[in-house]
Amino acid sequence: DIQLTQSPSFLSASVGDRVTITCRASQGISSYLAWYQQKPGKAPKFLIYGASTLRSGVPSRFSGSGSGTEFTLTISSLQPEDFATYFCQQLDSYPGTFGGGTKVEIK
Amino acid sequence: EVQLVESGGGLIQPGGSLRLSCAVSGSNVNSNYMTWVRQAPGKGLEWVSVLYRAGGTYYADSVKGRFTISRDISKNTVYLQMNNLRADDTAVYYCAREVVASGLDYWGQGTLVTVSS
Repeated sequence: DIQLTQSPSFLSASVGDRVTITCRASQGISSYLAWYQQKPGKAPKFLIYGASTLRSGVPSRFSGSGSGTEFTLTISSLQPEDFATYFCQQLDSYPGTFGGGTKVEIK
Repeated sequence: EVQLVESGGGLIQPGGSLRLSCAVSGSNVNSNYMTWVRQAPGKGLEWVSVLYRAGGTYYADSVKGRFTISRDISKNTVYLQMNNLRADDTAVYYCAREVVASGLDYWGQGTLVTVSS
């Protein structure tokens, strides 16, 4: 199975900060990577697919990049509603494993 | 609008069985890949199973041989039959629609399964 390692697992940031989360795959997955946002008690929300394509309706302050084994999710200017946990998922092969998550909290 | 609504969770003793349901509206379960994902309390997301459009299935090693994913096209519903449940199966179970090789674009609200004596 393909393993995904997210870093950091926790970060503290302020409104307006630029935030970057990394997701590393144990083997190459081309661009078959998605990102999700989850708030407490809620289902995850689909943000990005194909490593860098924003789902319709997702604010442009979110961006994704990478291919192969290293990927990043960037929030260019953190907003109050962005404080949440973020997960990556690989869709190159089943099982469609998830990263361990990155919790973004208010500094 | 696509909506997924899970039901069937609850408290069950170790070794017991439960069947989760995921009722779908706004999309056909036989036209999409349908997936179950679970989340143990305070933990991350764990992929559980997928049901392909053509009816094939795939399972995580942790549930293989114990869980079965299926669908009823007439009810537009996906199921997860869970047998021989263990304490480490305790989690919120989500069903989700998969856009192949892209991601899980619609999710249900989740249903909590607690395995405890």
